[in-house]
Amino acid sequence: IAGITQAPTSQILAAGRRMTLRCTQDMRHNAMYWYRQDLGLGLRLIHYSNTAGTTGKGEVPDGYSVSRANTDDFPLTLASAVPSQTSVYFCASSDSGTSGNYNEQFFGPGTRLTVL
Amino acid sequence: GQNIDQPTEMTATEGAIVQINCTYQTSGFNGLFWYQQHAGEAPTFLSYNVLDGLEEKGRFSSFLSRSKGYSYLLLKELQMKDSASYLCAVVDSNYQLIWGAGTKLIIKP
Repeated sequence: IAGITQAPTSQILAAGRRMTLRCTQDMRHNAMYWYRQDLGLGLRLIHYSNTAGTTGKGEVPDGYSVSRANTDDFPLTLASAVPSQTSVYFCASSDSGTSGNYNEQFFGPGTRLTVL
Repeated sequence: GQNIDQPTEMTATEGAIVQINCTYQTSGFNGLFWYQQHAGEAPTFLSYNVLDGLEEKGRFSSFLSRSKGYSYLLLKELQMKDSASYLCAVVDSNYQLIWGAGTKLIIKP
């Protein structure tokens, strides 16, 4: 693995179903993020984690949950998918997350999710 | 509220110069990023400005004026591969990134 990987690449999901998007990084970055990107809107932060064992809510957290059991993995779960969650989801990581040291974020290739 | 403004779309000619502007109103400021995103791909880092002035990196330069809440990305000697969206993002007082909607740049031969 080099960088950040996401799985699946794309998914079509029936409304009401549970879905977990996977994200793994091998850069040993302490901070990880989940964004959604919709046409005409900027990237919107769903949840983030500054370090393993901690998570925080972003701008649009409702309907999503995350966990950070270790440094490398940061899965995003939709407990009961709704059509408004149709979007492209990007996972990102950075060697920062604490004040006074902000570095660039590296992005995974994205997951295109369609909820019908 | 927090706001990042960029033009939605711009068109330029191959070999020319284009300037993409970004204005911001955020709670605090801890730096400004520019990212490039080709269609269907992930954003990739271009530049980071935290002090006023111009940062040059090959064909791309980025300028920041904190007092005016303004930045621009300057692309010189445009190539067809520069056709992409360019995203402006500001680090706010909570060290969270606030993203603009992006500027789609179309390069014509």
